[in-house]
Amino acid sequence: GQNIDQPTEMTATEGAIVQINCTYQTSGFNGLFWYQQHAGEAPTFLSYNVLDGLEEKGRFSSFLSRSKGYSYLLLKELQMKDSASYLCAVMDSNYQLIWGAGTKLIIKP
Amino acid sequence: SAVISQKPSRDICQRGTSLTIQCQVDSQVTMMFWYRQQPGQSLTLIATANQGSEATYESGFVIDKFPISRPNLTFSTLTVSNMSPEDSSIYLCSVSQNREPYEQYFGPGTRLTVT
Repeated sequence: GQNIDQPTEMTATEGAIVQINCTYQTSGFNGLFWYQQHAGEAPTFLSYNVLDGLEEKGRFSSFLSRSKGYSYLLLKELQMKDSASYLCAVMDSNYQLIWGAGTKLIIKP
Repeated sequence: SAVISQKPSRDICQRGTSLTIQCQVDSQVTMMFWYRQQPGQSLTLIATANQGSEATYESGFVIDKFPISRPNLTFSTLTVSNMSPEDSSIYLCSVSQNREPYEQYFGPGTRLTVT
């Protein structure tokens, strides 16, 4: 079966750095996505990785290792507004998105 | 990215009734999807809305319960039929252009409570 694992919840301090991991087992691979979802709101697209390596976008970076079935989202200089759930999703061979359960990130002052 | 609106934003419905949710996009899009999200949980794909043909449903979802229309490239509806309290959830519409990077953009969601 297809499976995506990510931690349920993480806590970090304002101004610090946090890394949210995602491991996956899917039928084929056509890219990995990270989405941010604030409570009561819709998910918003953060990043896309299809090749191995690090993609940097401002304070957020996303890393992919296809051979290991592994990705992480790195958030730097954490701000209180970064408190949200972060969803990892993998596009399989049928171009269907398989969603992880999400990681709830709590930022403390 | 496309701007997506959904109506209604929330509703409280009685058991046994039906509710139709509308999704409107400000530009033509190739793909439209309907998701359900229970509180604190991840997204579950209900179906892909196909323009001019029947929707493609995921395992566990059937057309009689969740009929979907997509008359053009900017609009779709999802009906939740013969509702029960188990249908209480957030229903989200998303769109994609079906080309790399295939990212999906989501509407604001419809919060449905069935009593």
